[in-house]
Amino acid sequence: GENVEQHPSTLSVQEGDSAVIKCTYSDSASNYFPWYKQELGKRPQLIIDIRSNVGEKKDQRIAVTLNKTAKHFSLHITETQPEDSAVYFCAASRLLADNDMRFGAGTRLTVKP
Amino acid sequence: GAVVSQHPSWVICKSGTSVKIECRSLDFQATTMFWYRQFPKQSLMLMATSNEGSKATYEQGVEKDKFLINHASLTLSTLTVTSAHPEDSSFYICSAREYRGSGGELFFGEGSRLTVL
Repeated sequence: GENVEQHPSTLSVQEGDSAVIKCTYSDSASNYFPWYKQELGKRPQLIIDIRSNVGEKKDQRIAVTLNKTAKHFSLHITETQPEDSAVYFCAASRLLADNDMRFGAGTRLTVKP
Repeated sequence: GAVVSQHPSWVICKSGTSVKIECRSLDFQATTMFWYRQFPKQSLMLMATSNEGSKATYEQGVEKDKFLINHASLTLSTLTVTSAHPEDSSFYICSAREYRGSGGELFFGEGSRLTVL
């Protein structure tokens, strides 16, 4: 089955700096890679996703890159703000498969004002 | 986006009792729902896949007699923690995928925090 590894486990940046979180996956058939943000005590929420037919996707301050050959993908947050502080999870799955979405271990991002 | 609602959001129970947690898809039908367990500062661990009208599929190491899952309709799945013990205390989250076109986004419930005394 799919195995997703995520680094770093914790990340602290100064407000305004950029943050990068990296994930690798093992199943070459995976073609859907979402990123979730989970604030303390709340549900994970999708912030951006990418499919294997594109190499990069951007939404305002958030971008995700995908390298299918190396089987890794990354989340980039620019101009970080204190409200970006949360735990971020990457995940990998096949688009239309129901039961194989696996999550990374999570990265606790702290943005210092 | 789609809404997945979970109830109760928190529950405290005595050791040895059973607790039922409900997961509902409010504005879409979900033939499949997922149950996760999350320990403090840890990731989402998939416990089981709930299939409407059939038996749930459990992940390795998850006791199916301990964590009973019922998916009786296209909008409701329930997780019952039977004979709960303090080590079952955790944050339980459900999710469901809403399929549109060629893909399905995963939506999560609010989570249920279980404390077993």
